[in-house]
Amino acid sequence: SQQGEEDPQALSIQEGENATMNCSYKTSINNLQWYRQNSGRGLVHLILIRSNEREKHSGRLRVTLDTSKKSSSLLITASRAADTASYFCATDQNYKLSFGAGTTVTVRA
Amino acid sequence: GAGVSQSPSNKVTEKGKDVELRCDPISGHTALYWYRQSLGQGLEFLIYFQGNSAPDKSGLPSDRFSAERTGGSVSTLTIQRTQQEDSAVYLCASRDRVTDTQYFGPGTRLTVL
Repeated sequence: SQQGEEDPQALSIQEGENATMNCSYKTSINNLQWYRQNSGRGLVHLILIRSNEREKHSGRLRVTLDTSKKSSSLLITASRAADTASYFCATDQNYKLSFGAGTTVTVRA
Repeated sequence: GAGVSQSPSNKVTEKGKDVELRCDPISGHTALYWYRQSLGQGLEFLIYFQGNSAPDKSGLPSDRFSAERTGGSVSTLTIQRTQQEDSAVYLCASRDRVTDTQYFGPGTRLTVL
């Protein structure tokens, strides 16, 4: 069963703009991981944030985690056409991942 | 280093046939997972191996699904008497025990006709 819900389902932005997507979940977690998927195949790991962390950065990515609200956000700054993909949040409960439905991001040139 | 590999990349089979899907995890990763991604169900956990412990099979959808892991490395997911609803992309992942990051393979796209 899917624990996470992502918002929005789809996002279309102009190259150079920022993209923000949100993830909400229902139960306590060990950590939360964000993944990118191109053309419906393998998942590429982007960033992991632990339950005792509030914010993490990796290159143009910024992830926040609010355990009191059971929510996380992923911000992609200065988007590029290559960022066009589906993005998934996954909550780690006892080392098993539960995924949201994903956000489809389209970056227009 | 080498990532998680899976074979075959695509598999087309007829309803009622058995299929085997293979996963080679990242060397040194003791935890291995199978997930399934389908249009109707999204990404869902199937089974989890951790070292020599009994696998966590809580996500397997029916007793037609089984998996084994030989020598603590390669894993095979077997689906017996395939049904059309088994059509999906089957993803394997292995976990880095230090960072807890799960790394995914490219997946096997299974089509049951």
